Amino acid sequence: ILNVEQSPQSLHVQEGDSTNFTCSFPSSNFYALHWYRWETAKSPEALFVMTLNGDEKKKGRISATLNTKEGYSYLYIKGSQPEDSATYLCAFSSNNNDMRFGAGTRLTVKP
Amino acid sequence: DAGVTQSPTHLIKTRGQHVTLRCSPISGHKSVSWYQQVLGQGPQFIFQYYEKEERGRGNFPDRFSARQFPNYSSELNVNALLLGDSALYLCASSRRGDRVEEQYFGPGTRLTVT
Repeated sequence: ILNVEQSPQSLHVQEGDSTNFTCSFPSSNFYALHWYRWETAKSPEALFVMTLNGDEKKKGRISATLNTKEGYSYLYIKGSQPEDSATYLCAFSSNNNDMRFGAGTRLTVKP
Repeated sequence: DAGVTQSPTHLIKTRGQHVTLRCSPISGHKSVSWYQQVLGQGPQFIFQYYEKEERGRGNFPDRFSARQFPNYSSELNVNALLLGDSALYLCASSRRGDRVEEQYFGPGTRLTVT
């Protein structure tokens, strides 16, 4: 993988459902992996920055894991709420001082 | 504390013209990065500045340039505008410009080139 790929592109879930999505990135020259939440008409908001293989981070009902050897990260949302509706972006940072974003996963949580 | 601010909010320009976009970072942040986001894609990295020095540059033509001022605010300049430059331009700031730091994004400038 040369670029950052996120799947699925979009997701519709019911309130209360738990969900997860994937970020795939190059497994070489890894430096850091960022997750952002971007609500409509707002600015992207940082969720997590992860650097170590096996890292797990948690913020409330949202958590993320990181596998740098195989080049993927999962974002989990437990008990989705309508206010979780947003586009979730991941960004890969390499040793070459760049920052590459995926196209995002658009989550819609229906009440 | 005020967040990252960008101006203008919206802008309409004609092909061939020049545009200047402005960004003020959060107080105490010394690094500013610029991104271009085209509908349906993730933000693409254009530049990073730290302490008024260019620290990183993405894969953009020389028509794109930027600078950072002593107060850490920044300008992004685009010359000879093309239709394909129509996008949302995002600015993000951080304290040290370290890639393991959280970045704080502004609301963006929506540029339309006709």
